[in-house]
Amino acid sequence: SQQGEEDPQALSIQEGENATMNCSYKTSINNLQWYRQNSGRGLVHLILIRSNEREKHSGRLRVTLDTSKKSSSLLITASRAADTASYFCATRRRDDKIIFGKGTRLHILP
Amino acid sequence: GAVVSQHPSWVICKSGTSVKIECRSLDFQATTMFWYRQFPKQSLMLMATSNEGSKATYEQGVEKDKFLINHASLTLSTLTVTSAHPEDSSFYICSARDQGGSVYEQYFGPGTRLTVT
Repeated sequence: SQQGEEDPQALSIQEGENATMNCSYKTSINNLQWYRQNSGRGLVHLILIRSNEREKHSGRLRVTLDTSKKSSSLLITASRAADTASYFCATRRRDDKIIFGKGTRLHILP
Repeated sequence: GAVVSQHPSWVICKSGTSVKIECRSLDFQATTMFWYRQFPKQSLMLMATSNEGSKATYEQGVEKDKFLINHASLTLSTLTVTSAHPEDSSFYICSARDQGGSVYEQYFGPGTRLTVT
């Protein structure tokens, strides 16, 4: 079963623009993670945000978490062609197993 | 950093045959490993949890007799797709939890692309 729902499902933006992806989840969490997956490749862990954190930064990435709304957002600033990938949010079930959202396919246009 | 490898990275097999995929934790021990399946343009779906020295636990809807899991050592789990059919063609990704780390330290392999003809 999937815990998260990302929107949009697909997003195309011009290089240099900012990209925002949202994730909603259903149950209470201890933390939420974001992963990137280039086409046909494995996962790259981007960032983990704990339930007591509201915002976290890592380079050009900014993640927010609103536990009252059960939602998170991932912002990529000054996008580059290399950012073209699928992005997934992931949470843990009560049994601590990682469950992924449906993902957002991001395409950066040159 | 912790590394998880998978072998093979891609495999083509004929319908009706079985294929084995290996998942190894290279620099840590993993009592628990996970197997995910991903169809094109879809998300990763958890298939089963592999526990060293005991039986795997399967997610609802996953056929345990079709997807055989063996976690014989602290660094190796295998997934065997038995009597493969074209609909089993997918990207299989394993993940390993570091026994010596916190429950949050879980690492993903690069995936194995299976094509059944």
